[in-house]
Amino acid sequence: EVQLVESGGGLVKPGGSLRLSCTASKFTFSNAWMNWVRQAPGKGLEWVGRIKSKAVGGTIDYAAPVKGRFTISRDDSELMLYLQMNSLKTEDTAVYYCATSVATPGAFDIWGLGTMVTVSS
Amino acid sequence: DIVMTQTPLSSPVTLGQPASISCRSSQSLEHSSGNTYLSWLQQRAGQPPRLLIYKISNRFSGVPDRFSGSGAGTDFTLKISRVEAEDVGVYYCMQATQSPYTFGQGTKLEIK
Repeated sequence: EVQLVESGGGLVKPGGSLRLSCTASKFTFSNAWMNWVRQAPGKGLEWVGRIKSKAVGGTIDYAAPVKGRFTISRDDSELMLYLQMNSLKTEDTAVYYCATSVATPGAFDIWGLGTMVTVSS
Repeated sequence: DIVMTQTPLSSPVTLGQPASISCRSSQSLEHSSGNTYLSWLQQRAGQPPRLLIYKISNRFSGVPDRFSGSGAGTDFTLKISRVEAEDVGVYYCMQATQSPYTFGQGTKLEIK
């Protein structure tokens, strides 16, 4: 079954760091443009950022609220996507999902179950 | 950034009746490739989002045909022909034409 599984969430103090991981299976990960999307408690969906496949340059884009604090990377040999989060703020508290498009151009047809990140003192 | 505005934000519907959600973008979503990367997602309580519609009107695999999408340019609509109990949840439009990708605020569909 095609799937994504996130891990690494937890409780962290403001100003702290956390690294999230997303493990992919049953699709050609190296060709996929991988995304992180977050959802604060009781709120809507917010795109965090995306890393393109290396075949098209591996370009990374970020949403303004996380630019300069978060870093997206990938390891195609391990089928892994990462989100390094530094200088965390209370407003970063959210469920973090990894998502991608396998069969539907320009749409996220595969989502993980998400991992919860809580930033609190 | 492209702003996505959904209406209504809440939609009480009678079982078996139709429902419609509108999504308007602050600029055209037509990509230079000629495609329009507007999709619709459903999120049931406690679950991750699920893709329903991609490129305006294409139903994703396994999505019931009571769901349909339409529109062009900056105005898009998701329609449910006859609402069923399992359709309860929050519906989001999303654009992936231009980075940063953006979502609508979400529309909560509930049964009257």
